[in-house]
Amino acid sequence: AAGVIQSPRHLIKEKRETATLKCYPIPRHDTVYWYQQGPGQDPQFLISFYEKMQSDKGSIPDRFSAQQFSDYHSELNMSSLELGDSALYFCASLGQKNTGELFFGEGSRLTVL
Amino acid sequence: AQSVTQLGSHVSVSEGALVLLRCNYSSSVPPYLFWYVQYPNQGLQLLLKYTTGATLVKGINGFEAEFKKSETSFHLTKPSAHMSDAAEYFCAVSSYTDKLIFGTGTRLQVFP
Repeated sequence: AAGVIQSPRHLIKEKRETATLKCYPIPRHDTVYWYQQGPGQDPQFLISFYEKMQSDKGSIPDRFSAQQFSDYHSELNMSSLELGDSALYFCASLGQKNTGELFFGEGSRLTVL
Repeated sequence: AQSVTQLGSHVSVSEGALVLLRCNYSSSVPPYLFWYVQYPNQGLQLLLKYTTGATLVKGINGFEAEFKKSETSFHLTKPSAHMSDAAEYFCAVSSYTDKLIFGTGTRLQVFP
């Protein structure tokens, strides 16, 4: 069965550069969530989209922006990267709405040097 | 608002011993509860979930958890630990179509 696809899986950037992460949800899933997991930390909710509209916002820095496109894939754009942005970024799509189960991708590991 | 508290950031057990990872939640609405496992440098894998119905839920790899509303708990257990169970375990709570809120995680170590 198709899963959530994230790209790239690994990304290395310098400070003050920009980065874009992509997420392709499971087919027919219309809700996407982004999470950030720092080293040794629990995943922190960043932002979510439902039907191409932002549905909720968490601890996402102003330097970050995201959107969901007409094909339901989502992109997380990060600018003016800082060392502290180094983390594993997860995307998840929502399954059947009566279970609330999120299906996670394998994550994109961003390293800022 | 919803939150999750995992008691014990590290748990160590011997191979073959009982595994008990504690999770308490806070929710103003009926919660959906989940346990995820994360192996080093890997993603999040769903172990089990409770949404409605039977309060004792069984998951993969021999794990199970019981939803106790009176105690606001959702502890994860496994009768006999294997070396391969060593990983980070996250308890999480959500509600209908809401975001998932994670606990701080418990690192399980299994000794031979």
